Amino acid sequence: EDKVVQSPLSLVVHEGDTVTLNCSYEVTNFRSLLWYKQEKKAPTFLFMLTSSGIEKKSGRLSSILDKKELFSILNITATQTGDSAVYLCAVVPSNDYKLSFGAGTTVTVRA
Amino acid sequence: DTGVSQDPRHKITKRGQNVTFRCDPISEHNRLYWYRQTLGQGPEFLTYFQNEAQLEKSRLLSDRFSAERPKGSFSTLEIQRTEQGDSAMYLCASSLGTSGPTSYEQYFGPGTRLTVT
Repeated sequence: EDKVVQSPLSLVVHEGDTVTLNCSYEVTNFRSLLWYKQEKKAPTFLFMLTSSGIEKKSGRLSSILDKKELFSILNITATQTGDSAVYLCAVVPSNDYKLSFGAGTTVTVRA
Repeated sequence: DTGVSQDPRHKITKRGQNVTFRCDPISEHNRLYWYRQTLGQGPEFLTYFQNEAQLEKSRLLSDRFSAERPKGSFSTLEIQRTEQGDSAMYLCASSLGTSGPTSYEQYFGPGTRLTVT
C-alpha cells in the first residue's frame, strides 16, 4: 500500500520567515507527486512534480523532488498570514490515477 | 465559476437515514473522483470514474456506499443507512482524460460536510 508521510505535523512562524515542509513516500511504480494547499475548504492545486531535481516555482512557493531518496520539499519564503493553511502532499502511481495523501502539515503564520 | 461544484455543502442527518451528494466536474474533464476526509487527515480515495465507467473502488467503500455517473457528466454518491462513522467531508475532484502529465492534476470541489447524529 502506498505510504506518504509529511513532517512536521504543524509549525508556527512569524510573517517574513521561511518554512520548509517535507514529504516522504513509498509507492510502487511512482509517477508523480502533487502539493495542495487547504484552507478550511477544498484543496487547491499548487504543483505537480515528476522529474528529480527540477524545481517548480510559483511566486514565493517552490518545490523539488528527489526520486532517489523518495522525498519532496515545499518551501515558502517571506511568509504572510495568508499562507496559513494545511499543506497536503499526494502521490500518483504509474498504473493508476487515484491520489494517496499524507496527513498534511498545518502552517500558522503570525503577524 | 467553471470549477468543480458540489451540493449540498452541508448535510445533517440521523443515523440510519440515506443521503445523496452531487458533484459537477469541470466541463471538459472526463475523470471524476470521490474522496473522504476526516479531521486531521488527508483525503482518502473512495472511487473514480472515467466518463460513465466506474473504474476503481476503494476497500473503504462498503456496500452501503454507491456512486454513479450516468451520462459521464455529474456524479452522485449515495450512503445508505448512515452511521456516525460516516461523518466526514466528502470531496469530489476532476481531471482531464487526455494523455500527458496534466491529466494527473486533480481539481477539487468545496466538499459536502456530512454530520450523522
